[in-house]
Amino acid sequence: AQTVTQSQPEMSVQEAETVTLSCTYDTSESDYYLFWYKQPPSRQMILVIRQEAYKQQNATENRFSVNFQKAAKSFSLKISDSQLGDAAMYFCAYRSSNFGNEKLTFGTGTRLTIIP
Amino acid sequence: EPEVTQTPSHQVTQMGQEVILRCVPISNHLYFYWYRQILGQKVEFLVSFYNNEISEKSEIFDDQFSVERPDGSNFTLKIRSTKLEDSAMYFCAALRGGHTGELFFGEGSRLTVL
Repeated sequence: AQTVTQSQPEMSVQEAETVTLSCTYDTSESDYYLFWYKQPPSRQMILVIRQEAYKQQNATENRFSVNFQKAAKSFSLKISDSQLGDAAMYFCAYRSSNFGNEKLTFGTGTRLTIIP
Repeated sequence: EPEVTQTPSHQVTQMGQEVILRCVPISNHLYFYWYRQILGQKVEFLVSFYNNEISEKSEIFDDQFSVERPDGSNFTLKIRSTKLEDSAMYFCAALRGGHTGELFFGEGSRLTVL
């Protein structure tokens, strides 16, 4: 079974600075997807960024980028120019690419606080 | 308009009562999921549903839980006899674009069991 580990329960960053959230995972599969979801106080799960394991290039979405290290099974999220609206819980998640096994496996989350 | 709408947003019920949580996707989603998040804890997979039947379920999804899509639109999660530990946020999610597509979450239904 796949597992996802987020070792930082809480992080804080000064507004406009850069912060990196860590995530490691364990799997025996060679092809899969990795995600970062944001959960603001409203509790809705919002997709931040997605990475396909077969792609060597790291995904980027505006101020959000990932450092995907497949051999190390590491998938960190970098948030540049942090804004107050970035304050939320961030969950790393894994999904198999196998048909019939599309469920997400989540990490325990990292609570990000933005300091004005 | 959100891809997935959930109702109710919050339900308070007495222990032992039946609860039905509803999920309505708006696009041509094929795969549906229920996840649960107990306050302060991680999001846990409950069940996946494809082609009108359960495709996978977790150990949490015991006989007290059931899912169905009775009218081809609404996707429901029923808890037959709620327990205190069922208090949680329940998220519906739908996968659009085949099994490699994007997963969209609803805004969640908060269930409080007294």
